[in-house]
Amino acid sequence: EIVLTQSPGTLSLSPGERATLSCRASQSVSSSYLAWYQQKPGQAPRLLIYGASSRASGIPDRFSGSGSGTDFTLTISRLEPEDFAVYYCQHYGWSPRYIFGQGTKLEIK
Amino acid sequence: EVQLLESGGDLEQPGGSLRLSCAASGFTFSTYAMTWVRQAPGKGLEWVSTISSSADSTYFADSVKGRFTISRDNPKNTLYLQMNSLRAEDTAVYYCAKDYYRNDGSWSLDVWGQGTTVTVSS
Repeated sequence: EIVLTQSPGTLSLSPGERATLSCRASQSVSSSYLAWYQQKPGQAPRLLIYGASSRASGIPDRFSGSGSGTDFTLTISRLEPEDFAVYYCQHYGWSPRYIFGQGTKLEIK
Repeated sequence: EVQLLESGGDLEQPGGSLRLSCAASGFTFSTYAMTWVRQAPGKGLEWVSTISSSADSTYFADSVKGRFTISRDNPKNTLYLQMNSLRAEDTAVYYCAKDYYRNDGSWSLDVWGQGTTVTVSS
């Protein structure tokens, strides 16, 4: 079974800075099956990136995804106050169907 | 507007049962697979179960296999999760989500409900 490991666990940055979040898979995965979600306190997750690098509808272009094989990255080019949240990577597979990383909390420094 | 609205969460005793519902609107429900994801208090996201668009295939996490059943009523645009033999570790917010398969071969969960809370405690 694939395991997704996100790092760092917590990232402390200031508005305007660049954020780089990592998701590492325990074995090589298809980029098509790698997605990123944002979750704010008390809210449902929101799809940000699908297919490793495609932005979902309505997602600002400061969010970008990249990577292949076992290493994937979510980059937020210039942090806005509303970007501070928890971010999860996710892999779609056969069994289990969806695997999530443990999350990275992006907090205001 | 595409929307998912869960209901049915409650306080239940260990060993008890609950049925969650998820009402869908704003899209052609019968053409999409649907998924339940849960989140225990202060924890991350955990996939629970997925059902195909026509309900001919179902998938379950090992943690709920044999205890939970997923079903759907396409004419009623409603997804269900029947939860039996509940345990304390089933305590979580349960989200329903819409599976989205794109022509580029990618899969993701593109629409989520607001969640319903299940608490298992005596």
